Amino acid sequence: DTEVTQTPKHLVMGMTNKKSLKCEQHMGHRAMYWYKQKAKKPPELMFVYSYEKLSINESVPSRFSPECPNSSLLNLHLHALQPEDSALYLCASSPDPVLAGGLETQYFGPGTRLLVL
Amino acid sequence: AQSVTQPDIHITVSEGASLELRCNYSYGATPYLFWYVQSPGQGLQLLLKYFSGDTLVQGIKGFEAEFKRSQSSFNLRKPSVHWSDAAEYFCAVGLSYDKVIFGPGTSLSVIP
Repeated sequence: DTEVTQTPKHLVMGMTNKKSLKCEQHMGHRAMYWYKQKAKKPPELMFVYSYEKLSINESVPSRFSPECPNSSLLNLHLHALQPEDSALYLCASSPDPVLAGGLETQYFGPGTRLLVL
Repeated sequence: AQSVTQPDIHITVSEGASLELRCNYSYGATPYLFWYVQSPGQGLQLLLKYFSGDTLVQGIKGFEAEFKRSQSSFNLRKPSVHWSDAAEYFCAVGLSYDKVIFGPGTSLSVIP
């Protein structure tokens, strides 16, 4: 199994809703990432989990709340989002931050297309 | 500061023609370099990567890229483009496992 899966593929939510995005990988990777991507732009890093611990939070608003319940699963909880949060949310994983000596390849999922009304 | 530039925002080629997408980087040390492709509404797929060794790297889907240290470039090439290659292409530099700098992307259109 060499893929990262994300659910749902599409999500429409109101500004008062609470929803969650899910990301899963079964490659044994120990680093997982959330990115936000606007149309025609490169991905922007939001969060990094290394060995199930949050290692990077790129000054993301608190209405986005990540969670890493285990080494295969990464969630992004959404609450009280704004219309400008509409974007493609990408999850990625990479093998092992320690063993790789700090440099390795990130593998991306297909993304969740989020629309906030 | 580290950066990645892709000088061409949009390129149009005819099906069957050759393709070269340009990528230049600014980084003091030996870079880890990647090319990703993104079809409309999809995630990023890794085409190829350069870590060290042979400066001509072969990737998936018939793509190759050449690392030229003297020019700080990592251009992507394909000898004959297929209509299914129409997509957004991102060059990236890896600084650490959690720090990847993406270029702005080049949008490729293919004329039948």
